Amino acid sequence: AQKITQTQPGMFVQEKEAVTLDCTYDTSDQSYGLFWYKQPSSGEMIFLIYQGSYDEQNATEGRYSLNFQKARKSANLVISASQLGDSAMYFCAIQGAQKLVFGQGTRLTINP
Amino acid sequence: DTGVSQNPRHKITKRGQNVTFRCDPISEHNRLYWYRQTLGQGPEFLTYFQNEAQLEKSRLLSDRFSAERPKGSFSTLEIQRTEQGDSAMYLCASLSRWSTQYFGPGTRLTVL
Repeated sequence: AQKITQTQPGMFVQEKEAVTLDCTYDTSDQSYGLFWYKQPSSGEMIFLIYQGSYDEQNATEGRYSLNFQKARKSANLVISASQLGDSAMYFCAIQGAQKLVFGQGTRLTINP
Repeated sequence: DTGVSQNPRHKITKRGQNVTFRCDPISEHNRLYWYRQTLGQGPEFLTYFQNEAQLEKSRLLSDRFSAERPKGSFSTLEIQRTEQGDSAMYLCASLSRWSTQYFGPGTRLTVL
């Protein structure tokens, strides 16, 4: 079975600061993918970034980067230069062969 | 618009009524997934299709739930004899060939 743990229920950050959202995972699969999604109050799950288990370099997408530490089974999301529009729920997820397994999420609030 | 679409966006029904939701995936995505998200939780997997074949169903999918994807394009999720515990956001996603699931806006169900 696969499991995702997000230990930060809520985070409060000042605008323009960088923020790190924590994610640890557990899996017995050798090949898997790690994902981060953003869910604003409207409810839609917006894909942010993907990291494959065999990727040697950390993934980056614009202001988002994924700090992948395979030995520690962690996949933290780093948002640089946060913006007010970044306020939302953030979910880490793992995918083996088929479905996504999500964590409980972290509510990020960006203060002006 | 080439994204995943879901209809209706909101549904309010009385306990005991049947409801049906529709999902139109991104064209050419042959895998389609259904998830359920209750308040304060991450999405949980319900079922998925590869083309028209339903390949996996979660234990969350009781006998009152049925999903179809008759021609391998759009999918429907029906809930019979709704209960208050069925109140949730129902999310649909389709899978790109790069293993990223893209989500629709969801259908928010409220059972009175």
